[in-house]
Amino acid sequence: NAGVTQTPKFQVLKTGQSMTLQCAQDMNHEYMSWYRQDPGMGLRLIHYSVGAGITDQGEVPNGYNVSRSTTEDFPLRLLSAAPSQTSVYFCASTPSGRASEQFFGPGTRLTVL
Amino acid sequence: AQSVAQPEDQVNVAEGNPLTVKCTYSVSGNPYLFWYVQYPNRGLQFLLKYITGDNLVKGSYGFEAEFNKSQTSFHLKKPSALVSDSALYFCAVRDGGDTGKLIFGQGTTLQVKP
Repeated sequence: NAGVTQTPKFQVLKTGQSMTLQCAQDMNHEYMSWYRQDPGMGLRLIHYSVGAGITDQGEVPNGYNVSRSTTEDFPLRLLSAAPSQTSVYFCASTPSGRASEQFFGPGTRLTVL
Repeated sequence: AQSVAQPEDQVNVAEGNPLTVKCTYSVSGNPYLFWYVQYPNRGLQFLLKYITGDNLVKGSYGFEAEFNKSQTSFHLKKPSALVSDSALYFCAVRDGGDTGKLIFGQGTTLQVKP
């Protein structure tokens, strides 16, 4: 299994540009999540999904959209990039059940100029 | 609301000495607690979890964690630190309900010096 994969690894955008961060998992996990990591703030949840066709907002959803058309894929879209979105983004997947741990992708480092 | 606190931004320890990374939590109901480690420029790796049962949980790389319900703590420990243990450590609690969401502490940097 490849686990959770994310592309690209690095990205530089200009303010106002849009882009999609890709996330895929091959473990047939029901739950998927997107987090952003900023120094001193831990990981903050952006959006999450409990299954194909179902998404919901996390703690910091503004400026981001998600969709979940398949179990495997959970792309994160930046609609109009802002410098405040400079961060490291992590995708994670989890089997159903509260005792299950999350599996994280390697991350995407995004810089918005 | 569920929350997690890691009171120390950084912990310094000499190689071979025991280490403790602190975590306290606030939850309604039974806590589902996790520890993750992040090495530089890498994703998070699962270390261990507490669901129920024994208060001392053993995990990967020789780490263990002690669950203390009365003190609402879940401290990460290792009897003998290695330089290679130097990393960023996160404590997390499962959000209420079965959604897969985790709530993370702000992280503690562990520095093990030779």
